[in-house]
Amino acid sequence: DGGITQSPKYLFRKEGQNVTLSCEQNLNHDAMYWYRQDPGQGLRLIYYSQIVNDFQKGDIAEGYSVSREKKESFPLTVTSAQKNPTAFYLCASKGQGGRNTEAFFGQGTRLTVV
Amino acid sequence: KQEVTQIPAALSVPEGENLVLNCSFTDSAIYNLQWFRQDPGKGLTSLLLIQSSQREQTSGRLNASLDKSSGRSTLYIAASQPGDSATYLCAVWGFDSNYQLIWGAGTKLIIKP
Repeated sequence: DGGITQSPKYLFRKEGQNVTLSCEQNLNHDAMYWYRQDPGQGLRLIYYSQIVNDFQKGDIAEGYSVSREKKESFPLTVTSAQKNPTAFYLCASKGQGGRNTEAFFGQGTRLTVV
Repeated sequence: KQEVTQIPAALSVPEGENLVLNCSFTDSAIYNLQWFRQDPGKGLTSLLLIQSSQREQTSGRLNASLDKSSGRSTLYIAASQPGDSATYLCAVWGFDSNYQLIWGAGTKLIIKP
């Protein structure tokens, strides 16, 4: 089945640690996105990538880093510089053929600082 | 700058009612508009994608309409069921959004048995 897989589902981070969230898609989509969602809040864009080896900052990129070495993969690292990382993280992908393609989401990773 | 608004923020109705969720956007220069559903603690599920050239799309009990000139989309849910309880979000992809989706804040829907 085609889709987007995020792992792990739950992640616990100690103060001062860097952690990496995985996002893999087999939809052959060019564009991939990372969003953060806080309780009762909407989606906020962290980073997005339109093509391999290229990515752009979203609205809240500070304290996060990404890479896009393969089309299928767009991992997100939450660094120790992110002061309030506890949140629900969502990865999405979107095809770019013809401008009229759907975006699809993974099931999310819930990150908690302990 | 494109802005997307969803009203109401929350809605509670008895089972069996037909209902309408609203999504408005400020810039009509869009490629498409997409409706999603999010269950608590879960990712987003795509419900319907309406291309800019389309007026509506249907999937089962769901019907989404698009009026670009007025900057509005509605999601119509027929014969609502408790399993429809979720948060519904709309997002637009605009000419000037540089491949970013612009999101509404969502409508939290509760269907009472």
